[in-house]
Amino acid sequence: DTEVTQTPKHLVMGMTNKKSLKCEQHMGHRAMYWYKQKAKKPPELMFVYSYEKLSINESVPSRFSPECPNSSLLNLHLHALQPEDSALYLCASSINHAGDYNIQYFGAGTRLSVL
Amino acid sequence: GQQLNQSPQSMFIQEGEDVSMNCTSSSIFNTWLWYKQEPGEGPVLLIALYKAGELTSNGRLTAQFGITRKDSFLNISASIPSDVGIYFCAGQLGAGGTSYGKLTFGQGTILTVHP
Repeated sequence: DTEVTQTPKHLVMGMTNKKSLKCEQHMGHRAMYWYKQKAKKPPELMFVYSYEKLSINESVPSRFSPECPNSSLLNLHLHALQPEDSALYLCASSINHAGDYNIQYFGAGTRLSVL
Repeated sequence: GQQLNQSPQSMFIQEGEDVSMNCTSSSIFNTWLWYKQEPGEGPVLLIALYKAGELTSNGRLTAQFGITRKDSFLNISASIPSDVGIYFCAGQLGAGGTSYGKLTFGQGTILTVHP
């Protein structure tokens, strides 16, 4: 089983709203990732959590706030987003972050529209 | 930073034709991955390559890890309509360096198959 589950599948929010994206995996993976993807472009890394600690922040604006409550869950809290933040947000997980043979498995994504 | 050049950017082929796409890098990678992404979904892993020179098959798909560790190709034989999607290569560095564990993605190859 290589399933990463993301909810919701679609989200529409105004620029003053606060919302959260959720990601869950039960593969025992200890690294989890958030990516942002624009149409027909490759995913862009935002954050990496390794053993529930934030390991990498790719200079993401503070209106995006990640949280890793436990080894199976990853959240992305959204506040005061801009229309240009509209994109597909992908979650991924891997056995660990920095080992060899480290395959990242992706969820189906949340399609976010900011009005 | 590392860059992956993926070609071609798009392909329009007839059902039954063979397809070939490749990625080249200015850096050496320890792992090469090939993902397929369909509309509204996240990237799905097709093939993972771990050793220089390695040739791996997955059904009608064949991929190779270049001897120089700076390139990889993916072939699809006897294409069918469900092969439609965007194919991404991704390279992963080995130990050491600030990019350790991160995936570097190619720009993607958009495949259209006409029945």
